[in-house]
Amino acid sequence: QQPVQSPQAVILREGEDAVINCSSSKALYSVHWYRQKHGEAPVFLMILLKGGEQKGHEKISASFNEKKQQSSLYLTASQLSYSGTYFCGTELLNRDDKIIFGKGTRLHILP
Amino acid sequence: NAGVMQNPRHLVRRRGQEARLRCSPMKGHSHVYWYRQLPEEGLKFMVYLQKENIIDESGMPKERFSAEFPKEGPSILRIQQVVRGDSAAYFCASSSGTDTQYFGPGTRLTVL
Repeated sequence: QQPVQSPQAVILREGEDAVINCSSSKALYSVHWYRQKHGEAPVFLMILLKGGEQKGHEKISASFNEKKQQSSLYLTASQLSYSGTYFCGTELLNRDDKIIFGKGTRLHILP
Repeated sequence: NAGVMQNPRHLVRRRGQEARLRCSPMKGHSHVYWYRQLPEEGLKFMVYLQKENIIDESGMPKERFSAEFPKEGPSILRIQQVVRGDSAAYFCASSSGTDTQYFGPGTRLTVL
């Protein structure tokens, strides 16, 4: 039931792009994306509710393919501040209000 | 507009003692979730509560752990007779029931 995130870790140079994927074995109602910096709380980035929905937050955007039960987070022209661990959380179609988080993708941006 | 509050931020206990972690949700939020995070790992769901009700405790160990969210006051996660393996960061999150969960700063529990 836990979504699978890939890759596990990414190292980029400032200005490069990255894609983080999140896939589920079960039908989804929503996908949530959070970023957590070391020693801090996870910070909400965005939620995607509809199949095919795309959202953007500064230079961070995401898509949700309902059919494939997948979501991808896109980071373009990455900045040093984007470093951290990105978690996707999924809520199943049965709407039990429970979010199950993936293991996270560690993103490290080099100057 | 205060966010989710948790206290204490750091808690040290000796094996066998009790740990009480408190969470005050954001104003207007009646849904509270507790998660545990081990170092370098993801967020593991523990329990979901609404005022005076436990909705889902499927992620909580059956023994030593309990949670409540009374009509008045914060939600409390209680760990009795702590063991070294309980050392972790415990986060609570709150929502208004419209999907988005906002996290508190966490309580870092260290068991000596």
